[in-house]
Amino acid sequence: QSVLTQPPSASGTPGQRVTISCSGSSSDIGSHHVHWYQQLPGTAPKLLIYRNDLRPSGVPDRFSGSKSGTSASLAISGLRSEDEAYYYCAAWDDSLRGHVFGTGTRVSVL
Amino acid sequence: DVQLVESGGALVQPGGSLRLSCAASGFSFSSSHMNWVRQAPGKGLEWISYITSSSGTIFYADSVKGRFTISRDNVQNSLYLQMNSLRVEDTAVYYCVKDSVVTTVADYYYYMDVWGKGTTVTVSS
Repeated sequence: QSVLTQPPSASGTPGQRVTISCSGSSSDIGSHHVHWYQQLPGTAPKLLIYRNDLRPSGVPDRFSGSKSGTSASLAISGLRSEDEAYYYCAAWDDSLRGHVFGTGTRVSVL
Repeated sequence: DVQLVESGGALVQPGGSLRLSCAASGFSFSSSHMNWVRQAPGKGLEWISYITSSSGTIFYADSVKGRFTISRDNVQNSLYLQMNSLRVEDTAVYYCVKDSVVTTVADYYYYMDVWGKGTTVTVSS
């Protein structure tokens, strides 16, 4: 059911920078803001980035987001072991008339 | 604290029905649009339904349209999901999720900001 495409996995060593891409279309990312969620093992997703590049209170500035056209990306700098999780992008889709999620990316810290 | 607590998950046979509930607290529920999102075992997130604060607008994902009904009670601060004709592929953790709406002079957007811990629905014979 996912209409936004993400790489299945990404990894890095502690302190490195990792980037996750999210590709959509004109009816979703091309027309609406992108939001990112972090899902730690065994827990509910948590809002990480909203409106492409804004961080909710309490989210470290190591996390940053950007959007261009029908694609978006999430960057994690200064990678830490506690960043091991699944990351999902999301946007509203005008043609489906609902929120759509990315396929999810598992981030591993080597 | 803003809190969403789901309940009602259970083991049910294919073709059966189930009603999920979500109790909201710590925010103005009656002013908030709400969603249900599910996650099948080992799979990604799937948005399934949305309801505006007044229940005036409701959307469903194609996968549940005609079988699931979202509703709310703004007096009881509760969100519901009536699930009928359940299928094995409906097996998932179901999350209640609040929308946040931002309106400025130059922009209008919404995003899912607060998630409950989820309730598990298993459809199996």
